[in-house]
Amino acid sequence: NAGVTQTPKFQVLKTGQSMTLQCAQDMNHEYMSWYRQDPGMGLRLIHYSVGAGITDQGEVPNGYNVSRSTTEDFPLRLLSAAPSQTSVYFCASRVLAGGRELFFGEGSRLTVL
Amino acid sequence: GESVGLHLPTLSVQEGDNSIINCAYSNSASDYFIWYKQESGKGPQFIIDIRSNMDKRQGQRVTVLLNKTVKHLSLQIAATQPGDSAVYFCAESRGVGGNTPLVFGKGTRLSVIA
Repeated sequence: NAGVTQTPKFQVLKTGQSMTLQCAQDMNHEYMSWYRQDPGMGLRLIHYSVGAGITDQGEVPNGYNVSRSTTEDFPLRLLSAAPSQTSVYFCASRVLAGGRELFFGEGSRLTVL
Repeated sequence: GESVGLHLPTLSVQEGDNSIINCAYSNSASDYFIWYKQESGKGPQFIIDIRSNMDKRQGQRVTVLLNKTVKHLSLQIAATQPGDSAVYFCAESRGVGGNTPLVFGKGTRLSVIA
């Protein structure tokens, strides 16, 4: 069982470049989300989705775009990377009904120079 | 290695002792509270959750206590082991219903002294 798969695991960008962090889950979870993790800041919610075609903003959405065309995939796009977006990014998913247990990917470490 | 977790509150515990990690939350309408464990270089892993209509829940070697009066959540780990060394996060589901996102606290680093 693959669970939540994030690619790439590591990426270095120059300021102004664009890129997409990929997230895929094979558990048929309706809910998917993206967090960023910075030293001393815990995990902060960027965007989330409760199903295909539905997305919403979290705590720190500026500079990031998302789309949800399928249940399985939830890519995170940086249109013009900035050094402030240097972070570790985590994708997570769960079922909508029942508890709130999130299943996390292994993370993507992004450095913007 | 993993650099996240620097400047976090740290709890140092002797192996075999019990650990208590505390968390304050802000939203009275949150319907679920969850504890996660994050080991270096990995994604957070679910430990235990508790619904807002409960005040205590027990798992294997862990107990979560919820005090809604003072908006306080705690995680107790019995007989702490070296493998428990990690960063622990509390999270709250801010609102009612499955559509609400999880918001995380800043985390506490647990260091187990062998």
